[in-house]
Amino acid sequence: ETGVTQSPTHLIKTRGQQVTLRCSSQSGHNTVSWYQQALGQGPQFIFQYYREEENGRGNFPPRFSGLQFPNYSSELNVNALELDDSALYLCASTNPRDNEQFFGPGTRLTVL
Amino acid sequence: AQSVTQLDSQVPVFEEAPVELRCNYSSSVSVYLFWYVQYPNQGLQLLLKYLSGSTLVKGINGFEAEFNKSQTSFHLRKPSVHISDTAEYFCAVSGFNTGGFKTIFGAGTRLFVKA
Repeated sequence: ETGVTQSPTHLIKTRGQQVTLRCSSQSGHNTVSWYQQALGQGPQFIFQYYREEENGRGNFPPRFSGLQFPNYSSELNVNALELDDSALYLCASTNPRDNEQFFGPGTRLTVL
Repeated sequence: AQSVTQLDSQVPVFEEAPVELRCNYSSSVSVYLFWYVQYPNQGLQLLLKYLSGSTLVKGINGFEAEFNKSQTSFHLRKPSVHISDTAEYFCAVSGFNTGGFKTIFGAGTRLFVKA
C-alpha cells in the first residue's frame, strides 16, 4: 500500500504568479485535506475534500482553491501569490474506518 | 469554533526522565483528538488518537495521553524519553461545526532531550 505522495517537493515562484500543488491519497481514502505550515508554526487547515466536494474550509481567502478527482487525488491552487504564502504545504488523506489522517512529506513553496 | 492551546513552546528534558506535553482545547461540539510528531524536514506522523471510549490512549514509541473532558485537556506523556524523541509535537482536534469539518492544530511543542 503506497502512502500519500505530493509533488513537487520544492517550488520557487515570484509574487503575483499562480501555483498548483498535487497530492495522491492513500488507497481507499476518499477524503483529502490541505494544510499550510509556516516556518516554526503548526499546520493551518486550508480545506478538506470528500468525494470531490469541499466539505470544510479554514480561514483562507478565495485565491486558495482546490479540486479532488474521481480517483481521490487532489490539487491545491493558489492565485496571485504573496510573500506570506511561503510555507510547507501538507496534504493528508483520511482513513474512513477510523478517521486517522496520513500526511504526505509536503511541498516547500518559496515566494520571492 | 474550535481552538487548541499547547501550553509549552519548548520542553527540555534529560534522557530517561519522564515528560508531559500539555494540550488544552475548546469546542462546542464533540471532537476527535490527536497527537502528531514532526521530525526536521519531514511530514507529520500520528502518535495516538482519541475517538471515543477509554480516556487513556496508548500510542507508538511508548507515548500515551489522557482525555479529560471536564478540563478539556489531552496531555501527552512518556515515562522515559530517549534522545531520538527530540522533535516537534502537535496536538490537534477535528470535528464538524459552522463551515463544515475542520482540523485545528496547536502551535507545537519542541521537545529537546539532553544526554
